[in-house]
Amino acid sequence: GENVEQHPSTLSVQEGDSAVIKCTYSDSASNYFPWYKQELGKRPQLIIDIRSNVGEKKDQRIAVTLNKTAKHFSLHITETQPEDSAVYFCAAMGVGRDDKIIFGKGTRLHILP
Amino acid sequence: GAVVSQHPSRVICKSGTSVKIECRSLDFQATTMFWYRQFPKQSLMLMATSNEGSKATYEQGVEKDKFLINHASLTLSTLTVTSAHPEDSSFYICSAKTSGTTDTQYFGPGTRLTVL
Repeated sequence: GENVEQHPSTLSVQEGDSAVIKCTYSDSASNYFPWYKQELGKRPQLIIDIRSNVGEKKDQRIAVTLNKTAKHFSLHITETQPEDSAVYFCAAMGVGRDDKIIFGKGTRLHILP
Repeated sequence: GAVVSQHPSRVICKSGTSVKIECRSLDFQATTMFWYRQFPKQSLMLMATSNEGSKATYEQGVEKDKFLINHASLTLSTLTVTSAHPEDSSFYICSAKTSGTTDTQYFGPGTRLTVL
């Protein structure tokens, strides 16, 4: 089955700087890669996603890149703000009727004042 | 966007009792629902996939007789934790998706289960 690795587990950046979170996946058949932001005690919120036919996608301060050959994908947050502090999860979706989303272990992002 | 609700949001029960958690899609028909468990400071672990009208598919290591899943309609799936024990205390989250080409899953707000 699919396995998603995520690094780093914890990341602290100065407010205004950029943050990068990296993930790898194992199943070359996966074709959908969402990123979620989760605040304490709340549901995961989809912040951006990318499909395997696209190499990069951007939405304001958030961008995601995908390297299918290397099975790597990354989340980039620019001009970080205090409200960006949260846990971020990458995920990969397997192909098939069930379309299971498999999550990485998460990155706790701290934005320092 | 689509809305998924869960009930209850929080439940405390005694060891040995059973607890039922409901997951509802409020404004769309969910052909597939997923149940996740999240322990403190950990990731979401998929427990099972539930398709309307058929038996749930459980992930390896998840006891199907302990975690009963029923997806009786296109808007409702239930997870029953039977004979709950303290180690079952966790945050249980469901998600739902429609049929078709969209890949987006919509998550419920989660249910915090505490077993005393």
